[in-house]
Amino acid sequence: DIQLTQSPSFLSASVGDRVTITCRVSQDMSTYLAWYQQKPGRAPKLLIYAASTLRSGVPSRFSGSGSGTEFSLTINSLQPDDFATYYCQHLNGYPITFGQGTRLEI
Amino acid sequence: QVQLQESGPGLVKPSQTLSLTCTVSGGSITNNNYYWSWVRQPAGGRLEWIGRVHTSGDTKYNPSLRGRVTISLDTSKSQFSLKLNSVTAADTAMYFCAGWYTIDQSRWFDPWGQGTLVTVSS
Repeated sequence: DIQLTQSPSFLSASVGDRVTITCRVSQDMSTYLAWYQQKPGRAPKLLIYAASTLRSGVPSRFSGSGSGTEFSLTINSLQPDDFATYYCQHLNGYPITFGQGTRLEI
Repeated sequence: QVQLQESGPGLVKPSQTLSLTCTVSGGSITNNNYYWSWVRQPAGGRLEWIGRVHTSGDTKYNPSLRGRVTISLDTSKSQFSLKLNSVTAADTAMYFCAGWYTIDQSRWFDPWGQGTLVTVSS
């Protein structure tokens, strides 16, 4: 299976900070990578697809970049609502797999 | 706007079959751009893709489930279903249904159902 490794697994930050989460993939994914935000007891919410395309309605402080085997999610000027767990996901081949998650805490 | 809602028993006995249904509303389950999927997540754990079904009838499953899973489509009811047999405590998880959307070179999982907790216990 394709392995996705996120770093860091835990991230402590403050409101107003800029943070970056990295997702490394064990095989070339081109840009078939998505990012999700998940809060406790809730379903994941799509933030970014095709590595860098912001889903409609997602605040512009979220951005994604990368291609191939290394990708990143950046959140500018953290807001209280952003403290959650973030997952990357590949969508190029089977089985679909997710990263282990990055928990962003205040 | 497409919405999904899971339903099914919250408690299943070991060795029995877990059965869940996802109802699609606000859009057509026969939309060719969607691959209807199931994803699960143990408490505090990673998301795991279980499998998907397309309106064509084509299915794909995660090999990690070793042939225990079947996903089917009922277009008359606008529903798709998951059956996982021979369950053990390791199958205890939150189960989500999701729409895997594909268009041109873009793919993503959206929407998602709210999730349903399934516990395997005697």
